Amino acid sequence: AQSVTQPDARVTVSEGASLQLRCKYSYSATPYLFWYVQYPRQGLQLLLKYYSGDPVVQGVNSFEAEFSKSNSSFHLQKASVHWSDSAVYFCALNTNTGKLTFGDGTVLTVKP
Amino acid sequence: GALVYQYPRRTICKSGTSMRMECQAVGFQATSVAWYRQSPQKTFELIALSTVNSAIKYEQNFTQEKFPISHPNLSFSSMTVLNAYLEDRGLYLCGASTGNTEVFFGKGTRLTVV
Repeated sequence: AQSVTQPDARVTVSEGASLQLRCKYSYSATPYLFWYVQYPRQGLQLLLKYYSGDPVVQGVNSFEAEFSKSNSSFHLQKASVHWSDSAVYFCALNTNTGKLTFGDGTVLTVKP
Repeated sequence: GALVYQYPRRTICKSGTSMRMECQAVGFQATSVAWYRQSPQKTFELIALSTVNSAIKYEQNFTQEKFPISHPNLSFSSMTVLNAYLEDRGLYLCGASTGNTEVFFGKGTRLTVV
């Protein structure tokens, strides 16, 4: 069975600092990988996705993520965070079945 | 573009009563619809996956008797929470896809049980 692990439940960074949110997955083949963001009291918004090809994918709001098959990882990065990036971030995996397996989420707090 | 609408956005029901929520896909054919629940302070759990012309597959801990789902065509699905109790509160998301790769989500139905 597949799984997604986000090892950091909470991350706090200062505004303007760089950010990395970690995601590790477990699946025997190459999965489809996603990062979603959830703002308070709202649903999910897609940040970026990886299907195949270039392992570095660009997303909205200057987010990017790098897929590593050898490390089974799909870490999310941003060069300079803004206070409005404070939210919960979910990494998710799709094994070509139409259903997603989510990590537990990482709560990002950006200090002014 | 592909959009998914869910309604109601918020609902309150009395403990022991039932509540139906709906999911509408616009701009694409929703051959698969998955329903998820996010309990307070938790991640998203898959309740069931419905694929047109196939049986609905429920995940462990979720049953058809508690969460009956209808997926009558390529643009609509509904799910009912029967006999809702406090532990059923949370955000219910509908994720629809054509093919099996990208999933489009609605904004969710937030259920409060009193």
